[in-house]
Amino acid sequence: AQTVTQSQPEMSVQEAETVTLSCTYDTSESDYYLFWYKQPPSRQMILVIRQEAYKQQNATENRFSVNFQKAAKSFSLKISDSQLGDAAMYFCAYRRSPEQGGGADGLTFGKGTHLIIQP
Amino acid sequence: EAGVAQSPRYKIIEKRQSVAFWCNPISGHATLYWYQQILGQGPKLLIQFQNNGVVDDSQLPKDRFSAERLKGVDSTLKIQPAKLEDSAVYLCASSLVAGQNYGYTFGSGTRLTVV
Repeated sequence: AQTVTQSQPEMSVQEAETVTLSCTYDTSESDYYLFWYKQPPSRQMILVIRQEAYKQQNATENRFSVNFQKAAKSFSLKISDSQLGDAAMYFCAYRRSPEQGGGADGLTFGKGTHLIIQP
Repeated sequence: EAGVAQSPRYKIIEKRQSVAFWCNPISGHATLYWYQQILGQGPKLLIQFQNNGVVDDSQLPKDRFSAERLKGVDSTLKIQPAKLEDSAVYLCASSLVAGQNYGYTFGSGTRLTVV
């Protein structure tokens, strides 16, 4: 079974600064997908960024970028120019390749990191 | 496009009572997921439907939890009887097609408190 570990229960950053959230995972599969989701107090999970394991290039979405190290099974999220609206819980998630899952493609989540933005 | 609709938003019940949650996915989304999120943890998949068939229910406590998606559209998750440890947020998500990297859309969840 796959596991996802987020070792930082809480992180704090000054507005406009850069912060990196850590995530490691364990899997025996070679093809899979990784995601970062944001969960504000409204509880709705919002997709921040995703990475296909077969792609060596790190994904980037505006101020959000990842450092994907497949051999180390590491998938960190960097938020540049932090804004007050970035404050939320952030979850790292793993999804197996559909070809290996028989169609089952539910997400495996880490425990999350609470990101605080200091004005 | 309308999002994933869930109701109720909050529910408080006593232990041993039964409760049901409803989810209406985005129109046209064939795949529907139910997740349980206990306070301080990440969501855990309970069940995945593809149209009206179950794809994965390996983590569903089948002695007390049941779910159905009779017409391949909306879905109901039921707990009977509820235990204190069932207190959690129940999230519903949908995707266009299972196995494709279109991403998931989540609803805002139902917060269940069992007292």
